This record gives sequence, structure tokens and C-alpha cells, in this order.
Amino acid sequence: EAGVAQSPRYKIIEKRQSVAFWCNPISGHATLYWYQQILGQGPKLLIQFQNNGVVDDSQLPKDRFSAERLKGVDSTLKIQPAKLEDSAVYLCASSLSGDGYTFGSGTRLTVV
Amino acid sequence: GESVGLHLPTLSVQEGDNSIINCAYSNSASDYFIWYKQESGKGPQFIIDIRSNMDKRQGQRVTVLLNKTVKHLSLQIAATQPGDSAVYFCAENVERGKLIFGQGTELSVKP
Repeated sequence: EAGVAQSPRYKIIEKRQSVAFWCNPISGHATLYWYQQILGQGPKLLIQFQNNGVVDDSQLPKDRFSAERLKGVDSTLKIQPAKLEDSAVYLCASSLSGDGYTFGSGTRLTVV
Repeated sequence: GESVGLHLPTLSVQEGDNSIINCAYSNSASDYFIWYKQESGKGPQFIIDIRSNMDKRQGQRVTVLLNKTVKHLSLQIAATQPGDSAVYFCAENVERGKLIFGQGTELSVKP
């Protein structure tokens, strides 16, 4: 089966600019996650979707981060405006039933 | 608060030796634990999981041990190979599929 697809692989932007990341989960996986992984740390959950509804966004900095999964399949994560501390790898993962998570390769964001 | 931590940030082993990577978790309500391997430039890759009603689970060359009394998790890799070099994370499912990750242990295998 195809894995979790993410794009772009790399992105460099200046602070205060906006950026968007895209994720296509494994077909049929109802649950989709966005994680932020700062260099040298474990991934931190930003938001969890079940189909097109938000299950948990308690760790999402909502003043600058937004995410949507309009049709319950693809998802986008946006940052506007970006700060230097947003430099990280943004990982998307999906699961069928709340376990057996599969991660994408991530988007490495550098804010300069 | 909820957190998962690792005892050692780095581990260096000789090729062919066994590796043991440790993890402490703090949420006693967690019912599912996963070990991930992450190579440079890639997302975390599933290695093995264990549910809270088990103490031990074995896979191919890997074994996970769960001690709920002291809230400790370990990953044992038998006959460690150079291809095992990576960062290893433990993660716990705290609720409704929400995974909390530890800081990671970097495993380096010397030929």
C-alpha cells in the first residue's frame, strides 16, 4: 500500500511569511495527525483529525497555526506568520483505528 | 504532566552485540506503547508495539518489555547491525489515539 505522502520536502521562508504543508494519508485511514519535531526532540502532536473533524488541537498555537481536512482525506497545515522558533520538521501520520500509525517523511521548515 | 522520557540520549554498541534502549513514562493510564526508529531525513518507522495487558512482546530481533509497576519500557535489539543505527523513540497512547513521544536515544553501531 502507498505510504503517507507529504509535500514539499523542504521549505525555507523568512520570518513573518506564511507557509502551507500538504498531507495525503493512507487510503481509508480515518485518523490523521500533524506533529512538529524540533531538532533533537521527539515529535509533538499539534492536531488530530477523525475524518474531517478535529479530535484534539490543544497543542496547536492557534494564533498562527491552522489546519484543515475538508473532505476527510487530504489535509493542509498552515503557519501565518512564521517565527524563527517554528523551524522544525512537520510530520503527518495516519491510522486506521487509533493504533498502527504510519508517518510520512515530513516537511523540513527553516525560518530565517 | 504527561511525558515520556528516555534515560540515555546516546548509545554506542559494537556490531553483533545486543542493545537495550530504555524509556520511562509517567501516565499510568496509557494502554498502548510503541517503539519507533527514525533515520536521518525520514519519518518515524514502526518497530514494535505492546499493550498494557502484556509484559513482553517479541518481534524479529527485537523485544519490548513493559514494567507497569515502575512505568518503564525497554527495547532490546539482538545482534545489532550497522543498519540499526538511528534515533529510537518510545511513544505512549494516552487517550483516543493521542501519542506522546519521548526525547529519543541515538543508537550508534560500530563495525
